[in-house]
Amino acid sequence: DAKTTQPPSMDCAEGRAANLPCNHSTISGNEYVYWYRQIHSQGPQYIIHGLKNNETNEMASLIITEDRKSSTLILPHATLRDTAVYYCIVRGDNTDKLIFGTGTRLQVFP
Amino acid sequence: SAVISQKPSRDICQRGTSLTIQCQVDSQVTMMFWYRQQPGQSLTLIATANQGSEATYESGFVIDKFPISRPNLTFSTLTVSNMSPEDSSIYLCSVRLSREETQYFGPGTRLLVL
Repeated sequence: DAKTTQPPSMDCAEGRAANLPCNHSTISGNEYVYWYRQIHSQGPQYIIHGLKNNETNEMASLIITEDRKSSTLILPHATLRDTAVYYCIVRGDNTDKLIFGTGTRLQVFP
Repeated sequence: SAVISQKPSRDICQRGTSLTIQCQVDSQVTMMFWYRQQPGQSLTLIATANQGSEATYESGFVIDKFPISRPNLTFSTLTVSNMSPEDSSIYLCSVRLSREETQYFGPGTRLLVL
């Protein structure tokens, strides 16, 4: 079973920051938080991952709370092409499996 | 990153037949996986494709229905056997590169069974 909880859907205005929350209250010390997104009819696209420190790359920022029980993916300036289903996944370093939950459907509107 | 290709990209099949899906990666990878995504649903892991040995199947998936081969580090096949309309899904190949933590996904094979 998925170890994460996400809101089923969110809206965001184009050009604004999209903040996607994820709850992973049962996360253990060796488990990473991964974010993927799936644009309609395509394979999932890797976005970012982290263990306990905040991370940033060219696509997004990942903010992980100090207790690691939740995290937020931030798309700083959302565009219409960011409309997708975003998946937050917890994976331990002793397993290679990615178990997907139901994700958050982000709709970016003009 | 890795470039992953799948063949066919889509197919329409008759019930009772079988379809073999190919996954090719442009670099050597440590792990290869097969996922299924039923209409309107999230991804479900079918199995881990092991090089030179039998695949490791997840609960609810069996080798007779989804035989998998992985003859080398860059290629794998998934066969959907004795298909029924319930097998209509997108089937996705996924890989983990050597010495990297990130897992990448192929474009998927969209299967419709009539």
